[in-house]
Amino acid sequence: AQTVTQSQPEMSVQEAETVTLSCTYDTSESDYYLFWYKQPPSRQMILVIRQEAYKQQNATENRFSVNFQKAAKSFSLKISDSQLGDAAMYFCAYRSGETSGSRLTFGEGTQLTVNP
Amino acid sequence: DGGITQSPKYLFRKEGQNVTLSCEQNLNHDAMYWYRQDPGQGLRLIYYSQIVNDFQKGDIAEGYSVSREKKESFPLTVTSAQKNPTAFYLCASSIQGVRETQYFGPGTRLLVL
Repeated sequence: AQTVTQSQPEMSVQEAETVTLSCTYDTSESDYYLFWYKQPPSRQMILVIRQEAYKQQNATENRFSVNFQKAAKSFSLKISDSQLGDAAMYFCAYRSGETSGSRLTFGEGTQLTVNP
Repeated sequence: DGGITQSPKYLFRKEGQNVTLSCEQNLNHDAMYWYRQDPGQGLRLIYYSQIVNDFQKGDIAEGYSVSREKKESFPLTVTSAQKNPTAFYLCASSIQGVRETQYFGPGTRLLVL
């Protein structure tokens, strides 16, 4: 079974600075997808970024980018120019690419605080 | 607006009572999912459905039941057999296929009286 580990329960960053959230996963599959979701105080889960395992290029969405290291099974999220609205719980998630409609496996989350 | 709606936002259950959480989507998504979130933890899969009239158990299905009579709707019933139902419940949906991504509803907070 796949597992996802987020080793940083809490992180903090100064506004306008850069922060990196860590995620590692364990799988024997070669085809899969990785996601970062954001959960603000409203508790709505919001997709931040996704990465296909077959792509070598790291995904980027505006101020959010990932460092995908397939051999190391590492998938970190970098937030540049941090804003107060980035404060939230961030979850890393894994989905198998070998079956359609398959489940997401989540890490336990990292609580990000942005200091003004 | 297209999206996923969940109701109610808060739900209170008495001992021995079954309660049903609603999840509706107008995104024309084939697959729908129910997750449970406990404080300080990630999400765990309860049930999922890839097509109408079919669903599969997730990791923590005991004490829960679902139905999928319509593509747009995937209600979750928390039965009296679920001894610790207090949690935040999130519904999600996705299209089928290679580029599927799960999108989430706003959630329902269930509390036991």
